[in-house]
Amino acid sequence: AQKVTQAQTEISVVEKEDVTLDCVYETRDTTYYLFWYKQPPSGELVFLIRRNSFDEQNEISGRYSWNFQKSTSSFNFTITASQVVDSAVYFCALSETSGTYKYIFGTGTRLKVLA
Amino acid sequence: SQTIHQWPATLVQPVGSPLSLECTVEGTSNPNLYWYRQAAGRGLQLLFYSVGIGQISSEVPQNLSASRPQDRQFILSSKKLLLSDSGFYLCAWNKGLLQETQYFGPGTRLLVL
Repeated sequence: AQKVTQAQTEISVVEKEDVTLDCVYETRDTTYYLFWYKQPPSGELVFLIRRNSFDEQNEISGRYSWNFQKSTSSFNFTITASQVVDSAVYFCALSETSGTYKYIFGTGTRLKVLA
Repeated sequence: SQTIHQWPATLVQPVGSPLSLECTVEGTSNPNLYWYRQAAGRGLQLLFYSVGIGQISSEVPQNLSASRPQDRQFILSSKKLLLSDSGFYLCAWNKGLLQETQYFGPGTRLLVL
């Protein structure tokens, strides 16, 4: 069955530290999509990245980077030189292309960046 | 560009009262629409989704219902609210295949007393 695990419930770092948020997924599909969303205190989920299962290249966008490894079924998210504005809950999600259509969300990781 | 609206932003309702939450999308046509609920400090639970007018699929049996009276309007309703209905309700949309990226609205915070 499909599943997304974000084992880190809450992480606290001091500003300018690097931090990695872990995401491990389970799926039987060979074609699937992985996502990361940010939920700031306002509540709205902000889309960060979408990755399909055939694209294992790592992605970098400014201070954000993502490491997708099919061998370990992981899609980890790293924030470099964290800032207070990065404080939020981050969700990882999986969407399969066969059977169900829906997103399977992890339970989220709350990141607190302290000044 | 596309935008998604939800209202009200916050709602406090007594147990047993009715509920109507509205979601509208602008700047696109024939979107797929979704209702999620997030309990305090928890993840997201998909409640309903719709691929077209009048087409509603329910994910979780409960006292909530959804309707899509117009192409870009999605409504979440209840005849009698329960305490357990409290939470943060998020509407989302995407286009085309259901696996496409979903974009979320600002959400409605519902407190049932």
